[in-house]
Amino acid sequence: GAVVSQHPSRVICKSGTSVKIECRSLDFQATTMFWYRQFPKQSLMLMATSNEGSKATYEQGVEKDKFLINHASLTLSTLTVTSAHPEDSSFYICSARKGLHEQFFGPGTRLTVL
Amino acid sequence: RKEVEQDPGPFNVPEGATVAFNCTYSNSASQSFFWYRQDCRKEPKLLMSVYSSGNEDGRFTAQLNRASQYISLLIRDSKLSDSATYLCVVNIGSTGGFKTIFGAGTRLFVKA
Repeated sequence: GAVVSQHPSRVICKSGTSVKIECRSLDFQATTMFWYRQFPKQSLMLMATSNEGSKATYEQGVEKDKFLINHASLTLSTLTVTSAHPEDSSFYICSARKGLHEQFFGPGTRLTVL
Repeated sequence: RKEVEQDPGPFNVPEGATVAFNCTYSNSASQSFFWYRQDCRKEPKLLMSVYSSGNEDGRFTAQLNRASQYISLLIRDSKLSDSATYLCVVNIGSTGGFKTIFGAGTRLFVKA
């Protein structure tokens, strides 16, 4: 397997603040990383595909100005939730692609916006 | 119609039972298939890949029927530790890579 870390694992913030989540591939280089969101009792929903050195590709319905993604290196992608609101409270999970088809998931970040 | 559909369950089975989960996918361009396991409040973890020839890993057997666009997972001799949500996952090919679609998951509860 491979190791992907996420930081922080849990964050509680006030409405209107911005939150940055980091996703790191620890033992391999990942040109592509994915960001997912999962609401309680629902499936993982792909938010965006993050490509190293280029702009992220967002899924339909995901606001790119609200969810800023930066993939500055082959081992790090960041997701910034800007001006977070209670409806943004969710479980955010990143994954890193290794090879053609394998994905390895980070442990997730639980965001609670008060 | 959802791209990947699963029976949400829950399946409540006694220890030692055999349980089967089904999954259907709608995109014929789907290239690779997986079953993931997700425990409550945790990230998904790969359980096994699914091949057309069928594959087995211990108590777990996965089958793929491309003609019917159908995937299955069979768990034999269920253990308490098998209690989790099982996600059917499909990779759909696209320019420059693939897109991963997750099913909503099937919840399994194994009871003593």
